[in-house]
Amino acid sequence: SQQGEEDPQALSIQEGENATMNCSYKTSINNLQWYRQNSGRGLVHLILIRSNEREKHSGRLRVTLDTSKKSSSLLITASRAADTASYFCATAPYGGAQKLVFGQGTRLTINP
Amino acid sequence: DGGITQSPKYLFRKEGQNVTLSCEQNLNHDAMYWYRQDPGQGLRLIYYSQIVNDFQKGDIAEGYSVSREKKESFPLTVTSAQKNPTAFYLCASSSQGAGEQFFGPGTRLTVL
Repeated sequence: SQQGEEDPQALSIQEGENATMNCSYKTSINNLQWYRQNSGRGLVHLILIRSNEREKHSGRLRVTLDTSKKSSSLLITASRAADTASYFCATAPYGGAQKLVFGQGTRLTINP
Repeated sequence: DGGITQSPKYLFRKEGQNVTLSCEQNLNHDAMYWYRQDPGQGLRLIYYSQIVNDFQKGDIAEGYSVSREKKESFPLTVTSAQKNPTAFYLCASSSQGAGEQFFGPGTRLTVL
């Protein structure tokens, strides 16, 4: 079952611009996580935000969580060519088994 | 050098054959996971294990089998019953089920 839905499916911007990706989910969660995947590679964890948190920062990353709307956003500021990758949100359902449910991902391309 | 490894990187299988994908971690994590990723798609959970000698089916377990005899190892067998096994397979581990997951580099399986 795919709980998370990312929007947009693909995003192409110029280097230096900010990139915003959104994730919506359907059920109550313990936490929501964002991962990055370079083409043909494994996923790398970026940030985890708990259900009682509203915003979290890590370097050039800013994540927000709105549990009333069941949505999250990932903002990458001052984008770089190396940020080109697919970005996935993953939710840990509340009260469920200890596993994550991944969305379909946003394919981000940073043009030099 | 801690991490999670998968082998082989590429695997070719003839129809009707069973193949086993290896996943090893030296992070001392209790939980391990197997995901399938099809081109341009998100991750779908095949099986997961939260403790040695115990594992649970994920969303797409049909045609796959696993074992968890050691904490460090969680091999996945793709059986001949899996009708469309060509995909990218990712293994992950975590210290707690709903927390950050660490991913291996993946195995790309192609059925000839």
